[in-house]
Amino acid sequence: DTGVSQDPRHKITKRGQNVTFRCDPISEHNRLYWYRQTLGQGPEFLTYFQNEAQLEKSRLLSDRFSAERPKGSFSTLEIQRTEQGDSAMYLCASSSRGSGKDEKLFFGSGTQLSVL
Amino acid sequence: AQSVSQHNHHVILSEAASLELGCNYSYGGTVNLFWYVQYPGQHLQLLLKYFSGDPLVKGIKGFEAEFIKSKFSFNLRKPSVQWSDTAEYFCAVRMNSGYSTLTFGKGTMLLVSP
Repeated sequence: DTGVSQDPRHKITKRGQNVTFRCDPISEHNRLYWYRQTLGQGPEFLTYFQNEAQLEKSRLLSDRFSAERPKGSFSTLEIQRTEQGDSAMYLCASSSRGSGKDEKLFFGSGTQLSVL
Repeated sequence: AQSVSQHNHHVILSEAASLELGCNYSYGGTVNLFWYVQYPGQHLQLLLKYFSGDPLVKGIKGFEAEFIKSKFSFNLRKPSVQWSDTAEYFCAVRMNSGYSTLTFGKGTMLLVSP
Protein backbone atom coordinates (compact mmCIF):
# COMPACT_ATOMS: atom_id res chain seq x y z
CA ASP A 1 0.00 0.00 0.00
CA THR A 2 1.57 3.27 -1.08
CA GLY A 3 -1.04 5.54 0.50
CA VAL A 4 -0.83 7.69 3.62
CA SER A 5 -0.36 5.56 6.70
CA GLN A 6 -1.07 6.48 10.28
CA ASP A 7 -0.08 4.77 13.47
CA PRO A 8 -1.65 3.74 15.74
CA ARG A 9 -5.15 3.20 14.39
CA HIS A 10 -6.60 3.46 17.88
CA LYS A 11 -5.28 4.96 21.09
CA ILE A 12 -6.93 4.82 24.49
CA THR A 13 -5.36 6.92 27.20
CA LYS A 14 -6.13 8.34 30.59
CA ARG A 15 -6.73 12.01 31.10
CA GLY A 16 -3.48 13.85 31.77
CA GLN A 17 -1.28 11.49 29.78
CA ASN A 18 0.71 12.52 26.71
CA VAL A 19 0.08 10.85 23.36
CA THR A 20 1.95 10.91 20.07
CA PHE A 21 0.67 9.91 16.66
CA ARG A 22 2.69 9.23 13.56
CA CYS A 23 1.92 9.89 9.91
CA ASP A 24 3.85 8.57 6.93
CA PRO A 25 2.83 10.47 3.80
CA ILE A 26 3.04 9.26 0.23
CA SER A 27 6.76 9.25 -0.44
CA GLU A 28 7.01 11.93 -3.11
CA HIS A 29 4.60 14.32 -1.39
CA ASN A 30 6.13 17.44 0.07
CA ARG A 31 3.03 18.76 1.83
CA LEU A 32 1.57 17.20 4.94
CA TYR A 33 -1.55 18.21 6.82
CA TRP A 34 -3.10 17.30 10.15
CA TYR A 35 -6.86 17.45 10.66
CA ARG A 36 -9.14 16.53 13.54
CA GLN A 37 -12.61 15.08 13.15
CA THR A 38 -15.17 14.78 15.91
CA LEU A 39 -18.46 12.94 15.75
CA GLY A 40 -20.95 14.63 13.46
CA GLN A 41 -18.44 17.11 12.14
CA GLY A 42 -16.25 17.37 9.08
CA PRO A 43 -12.47 17.37 9.33
CA GLU A 44 -11.05 20.49 10.99
CA PHE A 45 -7.63 21.76 9.92
CA LEU A 46 -4.90 21.83 12.58
CA THR A 47 -1.52 22.40 10.95
CA TYR A 48 0.45 22.00 7.75
CA PHE A 49 4.03 21.35 6.63
CA GLN A 50 5.82 21.95 3.40
CA ASN A 51 8.84 19.67 3.57
CA GLU A 52 10.15 20.15 7.12
CA ALA A 53 8.80 23.69 7.54
CA GLN A 54 5.62 24.11 9.56
CA LEU A 55 3.95 26.89 7.60
CA GLU A 56 0.69 27.14 9.49
CA LYS A 57 0.10 26.30 13.11
CA SER A 58 -2.26 28.95 14.35
CA ARG A 59 -5.16 26.50 14.18
CA LEU A 60 -3.64 24.06 16.63
CA LEU A 61 -6.26 23.86 19.32
CA SER A 62 -4.08 24.81 22.27
CA ASP A 63 -0.44 24.93 23.32
CA ARG A 64 -0.84 21.31 24.40
CA PHE A 65 -0.80 20.36 20.72
CA SER A 66 2.43 20.29 18.74
CA ALA A 67 3.58 18.74 15.50
CA GLU A 68 6.91 18.03 13.89
CA ARG A 69 8.24 16.84 10.58
CA PRO A 70 11.95 16.77 11.26
CA LYS A 71 13.27 15.41 7.98
CA GLY A 72 10.46 16.38 5.70
CA SER A 73 9.18 12.82 5.54
CA PHE A 74 7.06 11.41 8.39
CA SER A 75 5.34 13.66 10.90
CA THR A 76 4.29 13.34 14.51
CA LEU A 77 1.44 15.03 16.34
CA GLU A 78 1.75 15.20 20.12
CA ILE A 79 -0.94 16.08 22.61
CA GLN A 80 0.27 16.78 26.12
CA ARG A 81 -1.87 16.46 29.25
CA THR A 82 -4.78 15.01 27.33
CA GLU A 83 -8.33 16.03 28.19
CA GLN A 84 -11.58 14.21 27.48
CA GLY A 85 -12.41 16.84 24.88
CA ASP A 86 -9.39 15.73 22.87
CA SER A 87 -11.18 12.49 22.00
CA ALA A 88 -11.50 12.52 18.22
CA MET A 89 -10.20 11.05 14.99
CA TYR A 90 -6.88 12.62 13.99
CA LEU A 91 -6.36 12.57 10.25
CA CYS A 92 -3.24 13.09 8.23
CA ALA A 93 -3.19 14.03 4.57
CA SER A 94 -0.45 14.63 2.06
CA SER A 95 -0.19 16.22 -1.34
CA SER A 96 2.23 17.08 -4.07
CA ARG A 97 1.20 20.42 -5.38
CA GLY A 98 0.70 20.24 -9.12
CA SER A 99 0.94 23.06 -11.60
CA GLY A 100 -1.07 26.11 -10.70
CA LYS A 101 -3.37 25.33 -7.80
CA ASP A 102 -4.28 21.80 -8.79
CA GLU A 103 -3.59 20.31 -5.38
CA LYS A 104 -5.19 17.03 -4.38
CA LEU A 105 -5.07 15.75 -0.82
CA PHE A 106 -4.73 12.08 0.00
CA PHE A 107 -5.94 11.13 3.45
CA GLY A 108 -4.86 8.39 5.81
CA SER A 109 -7.28 6.24 7.77
CA GLY A 110 -6.72 8.26 10.91
CA THR A 111 -5.91 7.63 14.56
CA GLN A 112 -8.95 7.36 16.82
CA LEU A 113 -8.10 8.82 20.23
CA SER A 114 -10.22 8.06 23.29
CA VAL A 115 -9.38 9.88 26.49
CA LEU A 116 -10.89 8.28 29.59
CA ALA B 1 -13.13 32.91 7.03
CA GLN B 2 -14.96 30.63 4.68
CA SER B 3 -17.57 28.16 5.88
CA VAL B 4 -19.41 25.27 4.28
CA SER B 5 -22.98 24.22 4.91
CA GLN B 6 -24.37 20.82 3.96
CA HIS B 7 -28.13 20.78 4.03
CA ASN B 8 -28.84 17.25 5.14
CA HIS B 9 -27.08 15.29 7.83
CA HIS B 10 -28.70 11.98 6.89
CA VAL B 11 -30.28 10.82 3.64
CA ILE B 12 -31.95 7.46 3.06
CA LEU B 13 -32.70 6.30 -0.46
CA SER B 14 -33.69 3.12 -2.22
CA GLU B 15 -31.49 1.73 -4.95
CA ALA B 16 -32.03 3.40 -8.34
CA ALA B 17 -33.32 6.60 -6.76
CA SER B 18 -31.76 9.87 -7.80
CA LEU B 19 -29.50 11.71 -5.42
CA GLU B 20 -28.82 15.36 -4.82
CA LEU B 21 -26.81 16.53 -1.83
CA GLY B 22 -26.74 20.23 -1.16
CA CYS B 23 -23.63 22.27 -0.38
CA ASN B 24 -23.34 26.01 0.08
CA TYR B 25 -20.27 27.99 0.99
CA SER B 26 -19.69 31.48 2.26
CA TYR B 27 -16.82 33.30 0.62
CA GLY B 28 -17.02 36.09 -1.87
CA GLY B 29 -13.83 35.39 -3.79
CA THR B 30 -12.69 32.69 -6.15
CA VAL B 31 -12.85 29.21 -4.68
CA ASN B 32 -11.87 25.65 -5.39
CA LEU B 33 -14.62 23.17 -4.51
CA PHE B 34 -14.45 19.50 -3.63
CA TRP B 35 -16.57 16.54 -2.70
CA TYR B 36 -14.94 13.81 -0.65
CA VAL B 37 -16.46 10.44 0.19
CA GLN B 38 -15.77 8.14 3.11
CA TYR B 39 -16.99 4.56 2.71
CA PRO B 40 -17.53 2.56 5.90
CA GLY B 41 -14.18 1.70 7.45
CA GLN B 42 -12.19 3.49 4.78
CA HIS B 43 -10.32 6.77 4.48
CA LEU B 44 -11.54 9.95 2.84
CA GLN B 45 -11.30 9.85 -0.94
CA LEU B 46 -11.70 12.58 -3.49
CA LEU B 47 -14.91 12.18 -5.49
CA LEU B 48 -14.61 15.23 -7.71
CA LYS B 49 -13.30 18.77 -7.76
CA TYR B 50 -13.91 22.12 -9.41
CA PHE B 51 -11.11 24.59 -10.04
CA SER B 52 -12.22 26.54 -13.10
CA GLY B 53 -13.91 26.19 -16.48
CA ASP B 54 -17.03 24.12 -17.05
CA PRO B 55 -19.14 24.44 -13.90
CA LEU B 56 -20.50 20.93 -14.36
CA VAL B 57 -17.83 18.52 -13.22
CA LYS B 58 -17.90 14.77 -13.41
CA GLY B 59 -16.27 12.51 -10.90
CA ILE B 60 -15.81 8.85 -10.22
CA LYS B 61 -18.63 6.30 -9.99
CA GLY B 62 -21.14 8.36 -11.96
CA PHE B 63 -21.20 11.34 -9.62
CA GLU B 64 -21.32 14.91 -10.87
CA ALA B 65 -21.58 18.32 -9.28
CA GLU B 66 -22.58 21.73 -10.54
CA PHE B 67 -20.97 24.95 -9.40
CA ILE B 68 -23.48 27.81 -9.39
CA LYS B 69 -21.52 30.92 -8.49
CA SER B 70 -24.57 33.15 -8.02
CA LYS B 71 -25.94 30.73 -5.43
CA PHE B 72 -22.60 29.90 -3.79
CA SER B 73 -23.55 26.27 -4.29
CA PHE B 74 -21.86 23.07 -5.36
CA ASN B 75 -24.50 20.34 -5.19
CA LEU B 76 -23.60 16.70 -5.73
CA ARG B 77 -25.80 14.54 -7.95
CA LYS B 78 -26.12 10.99 -9.17
CA PRO B 79 -29.02 9.84 -11.37
CA SER B 80 -29.32 6.35 -9.91
CA VAL B 81 -27.71 5.32 -6.63
CA GLN B 82 -26.48 1.87 -5.75
CA TRP B 83 -26.21 0.11 -2.42
CA SER B 84 -22.42 0.53 -2.68
CA ASP B 85 -22.86 4.32 -2.56
CA THR B 86 -23.67 4.06 1.14
CA ALA B 87 -21.08 6.38 2.68
CA GLU B 88 -20.53 9.76 4.23
CA TYR B 89 -20.09 12.64 1.81
CA PHE B 90 -18.20 15.84 2.63
CA CYS B 91 -18.22 19.07 0.69
CA ALA B 92 -15.07 21.21 1.04
CA VAL B 93 -13.93 24.62 -0.14
CA ARG B 94 -10.59 26.30 -0.49
CA MET B 95 -9.99 29.94 -1.28
CA ASN B 96 -8.13 30.31 -4.55
CA SER B 97 -5.75 33.01 -3.34
CA GLY B 98 -2.29 32.45 -1.93
CA TYR B 99 -2.14 29.63 0.55
CA SER B 100 -5.41 28.34 1.89
CA THR B 101 -6.54 25.15 3.59
CA LEU B 102 -9.57 23.03 2.93
CA THR B 103 -12.67 23.84 4.98
CA PHE B 104 -15.08 20.94 5.24
CA GLY B 105 -18.81 20.78 5.81
CA LYS B 106 -20.25 18.56 8.52
CA GLY B 107 -20.96 15.76 6.12
CA THR B 108 -24.04 13.92 4.88
CA MET B 109 -24.50 10.28 5.72
CA LEU B 110 -26.14 8.48 2.77
CA LEU B 111 -27.76 5.13 3.35
CA VAL B 112 -28.93 3.25 0.26
CA SER B 113 -31.25 0.36 0.91
CA PRO B 114 -31.23 -2.56 -1.56
